[in-house]
Amino acid sequence: NAGVTQTPKFRVLKTGQSMTLLCAQDMNHEYMYWYRQDPGMGLRLIHYSVGEGTTAKGEVPDGYNVSRLKKQNFLLGLESAAPSQTSVYFCASSFSQDRPLREQYFGPGTRLTVT
Amino acid sequence: QKEVEQDPGPLSVPEGAIVSLNCTYSNSAFQYFMWYRQYSRKGPELLMYTYSSGNKEDGRFTAQVDKSSKYISLFIRDSQPSDSATYLCAMRGNSGGSNYKLTFGKGTLLTVNP
Repeated sequence: NAGVTQTPKFRVLKTGQSMTLLCAQDMNHEYMYWYRQDPGMGLRLIHYSVGEGTTAKGEVPDGYNVSRLKKQNFLLGLESAAPSQTSVYFCASSFSQDRPLREQYFGPGTRLTVT
Repeated sequence: QKEVEQDPGPLSVPEGAIVSLNCTYSNSAFQYFMWYRQYSRKGPELLMYTYSSGNKEDGRFTAQVDKSSKYISLFIRDSQPSDSATYLCAMRGNSGGSNYKLTFGKGTLLTVNP
């Protein structure tokens, strides 16, 4: 199993450009999440999905859109990139049932720089 | 007051030292308490978790939860250079509602010097 994979690993955008980050998981997890991690700010939830075709806003959703057309994929879109969106983006996934833990598994991250 | 507070460090210790990492929280509904380890330029990975109060030991690592004080700790015995990483605490409530979402601390950067 590959676990959680993210594409691309690195990207440099100019202000105003758009892009899509792709997250894929092969663990049959129902829940998927997008976080951003910035120095001194920790991990902040952008959007999440509790199942195919559903999405919801997290803590810092402005400037981002998401889609979950297939259970295994969760896409994060930036329609008009801004320098404030320079960050490391992590995708995570987990089961939905209340297993003892319902651990979130994280991908390796995408480093995005907006100039 | 933020829901979860964690001293960001950095913390630098010699090899073999006992390391203590801590988080405090304000939400009394939190029931699951986790520690994630994040190596440089990698994603976080779950290290240990505890449900409700008490201790849990796994090799050189011990996780403690004191719900009365809203305080959790991670102890690392005989620390090794390979333990050098950022440690993030995370917590959530029981099932139901939005309780699958984790609330993270900001992470503590630990360096273990040979």
